[in-house]
Amino acid sequence: GAVVSQHPSWVICKSGTSVKIECRSLDFQATTMFWYRQFPKQSLMLMATSNEGSKATYEQGVEKDKFLINHASLTLSTLTVTSAHPEDSSFYICSALEGTGNEKLFFGSGTQLSVL
Amino acid sequence: QQPVQSPQAVILREGEDAVINCSSSKALYSVHWYRQKHGEAPVFLMILLKGGEQKGHEKISASFNEKKQQSSLYLTASQLSYSGTYFCGTEGADSSYKLIFGSGTRLLVRP
Repeated sequence: GAVVSQHPSWVICKSGTSVKIECRSLDFQATTMFWYRQFPKQSLMLMATSNEGSKATYEQGVEKDKFLINHASLTLSTLTVTSAHPEDSSFYICSALEGTGNEKLFFGSGTQLSVL
Repeated sequence: QQPVQSPQAVILREGEDAVINCSSSKALYSVHWYRQKHGEAPVFLMILLKGGEQKGHEKISASFNEKKQQSSLYLTASQLSYSGTYFCGTEGADSSYKLIFGSGTRLLVRP
């Protein structure tokens, strides 16, 4: 199956700093990527839809100025958590939709963010 | 509108069967099933598209009743490796590929 690489897999940062998470589709082009957040023992909550070459679409309640998404190429989307606070600590997962219309979503391995 | 999954948790002995249900309050185009192990990303199991199809993958199969907006995942002769949390992801009738995930069903298979 298709491979989606997410980096870093684990990050610890101080409160007030910014953290960038990368999501790459390694063997296919992804015009659309999705960013999810998952708190312990909870479901995956969709944060935003990232479209190559255009602005991301954010779900209700997600602060677009805090969670900056950039999808500059067909293989890379980035999520930047700006001015991170302890309540932003979570497991962040990206998924990518293959550009040929394949209906499968391929997930990255996730990033565990801990804000001290 | 997050789909509702039931049961919330289930414990099986190896070789037993289980059914996990996923119910949505809105019209669906497709239902996706994933299994997630602790600390890992979800792993794709299967997709079911509208039309009421049923699919199978080894000893794991699923059905999708479009009219009832429900899907069920069937695990037969469970193996230890089946342990994990199962999520259904529903795609709305607008077919935007945007998945909304259910609350999850935690499955533990014991020897």
